[in-house]
Amino acid sequence: EVQLVESGGGLVQPGGSLRLSCSGSGFIFSNSAINWVRQAPGKGLEHVSGISSNGDVTYYADSVKGRFTISRDNSKNTVYLQMNSLRPDETAVYYCVKVVSGGVQHWGQGTLVTVSS
Amino acid sequence: QSALTQPPSASGSPGQSVTISCTGTDSDVDNYRYVSWYQQHPGKAPKLLIFEVFKRPSGVPDRFSGSKSGNTASLTVSGLQAEDEADYFCSSDGGNSNLLFGGGTKLTVL
Repeated sequence: EVQLVESGGGLVQPGGSLRLSCSGSGFIFSNSAINWVRQAPGKGLEHVSGISSNGDVTYYADSVKGRFTISRDNSKNTVYLQMNSLRPDETAVYYCVKVVSGGVQHWGQGTLVTVSS
Repeated sequence: QSALTQPPSASGSPGQSVTISCTGTDSDVDNYRYVSWYQQHPGKAPKLLIFEVFKRPSGVPDRFSGSKSGNTASLTVSGLQAEDEADYFCSSDGGNSNLLFGGGTKLTVL
């Protein structure tokens, strides 16, 4: 069974930093691209970032370019999302996801990031 | 503002059918076969209902069906049941590794 488990969320002040982690199991992690999707309270979904299976190709939404960095350690079956200069409107549940055939087939349980003073 | 446009709400009575639309552009919905639909109950992660426009993952009832015409995709829920009350989101490949989402539609079962 595919499992994605996020960690690292919490309360951070505006302008602060946080690093999210996503651990995967139940599939060949090193063969799989991994993405992050966030959902602000009561709002829709936003594709934030993604990384290819070997880490060579990355994607960032325009809203986070230059502030967020995605990376992975396939020896640990883990993807990281380093988030700097966080803003209050980035308060959201951040989901680690695995896309198959263009759709998000597997979702983590999500980790809540709250940006507030 | 979401990249794909969905109606904010839809409703139907038990047993009826409801169709939710998802409108994009020539650069996304009309350009790719990778259109998906998700169901989300409060406090839960979304669940994939439809992928590649009309395909259902194992375990999804055939009451859920998808279609596409031009830059508009549609999700139809037939034989509405109380447990279908949830938020529904669409997504489309936007090219360049970008996954676009709709703003979501709240489905109420009357």
